Amino acid sequence: GENVEQHPSTLSVQEGDSAVIKCTYSDSASNYFPWYKQELGKGPQLIIDIRSNVGEKKDQRIAVTLNKTAKHFSLHITETQPEDSAVYFCAAINSGGYQKVTFGTGTKLQVIP
Amino acid sequence: DVKVTQSSRYLVKRTGEKVFLECVQDMDHENMFWYRQDPGLGLRLIYFSYDVKMKEKGDIPEGYSVSREKKERFSLILESASTNQTSMYLCASRSDRVPGNTIYFGEGSWLTVV
Repeated sequence: GENVEQHPSTLSVQEGDSAVIKCTYSDSASNYFPWYKQELGKGPQLIIDIRSNVGEKKDQRIAVTLNKTAKHFSLHITETQPEDSAVYFCAAINSGGYQKVTFGTGTKLQVIP
Repeated sequence: DVKVTQSSRYLVKRTGEKVFLECVQDMDHENMFWYRQDPGLGLRLIYFSYDVKMKEKGDIPEGYSVSREKKERFSLILESASTNQTSMYLCASRSDRVPGNTIYFGEGSWLTVV
């Protein structure tokens, strides 16, 4: 089955700096990679996603990159703000046929004002 | 917007009680999931359902059962609650028809078993 590793488990950055979270996956059949943000006391919310036919995707201060050969993908947050503080999860999905969603173990990001 | 609603946000139950956690989604999604979230362990899949009356075990099904009698509703059942089932439970849904296959989560149910 799929195995997703996520690093680091915790990350502290100064407001305005960039933050990078990395995930690796094992199943080459995985072709869809969403990122979720979970604020305290709430359920995870999708913030950005990328498919295997795309190498990079950007949405304002958030970007995701994918290296299919190396089987890793990363979340980049630029110009971090205190409201970016949350737990971030990556996931790998094989969207063909029956799919099981495998999540990383999460990264707790703290943005220090 | 997709809405996944978990009817109980905070519950306190006694050991041995039968517990029902209810989840409803309003987007006609085929797939529904129950996850358990614990510090340092991420999101662990308990059960999922890909159609009405269908269910499949996830990674940690022991001590749990599920029911899906209607497409929009997926219930998680703890037959005899134990203290090690104290956790946050997340329901989620996903469409088979949407190319993105994004999974949508509810707000979570915090269960404490005493």
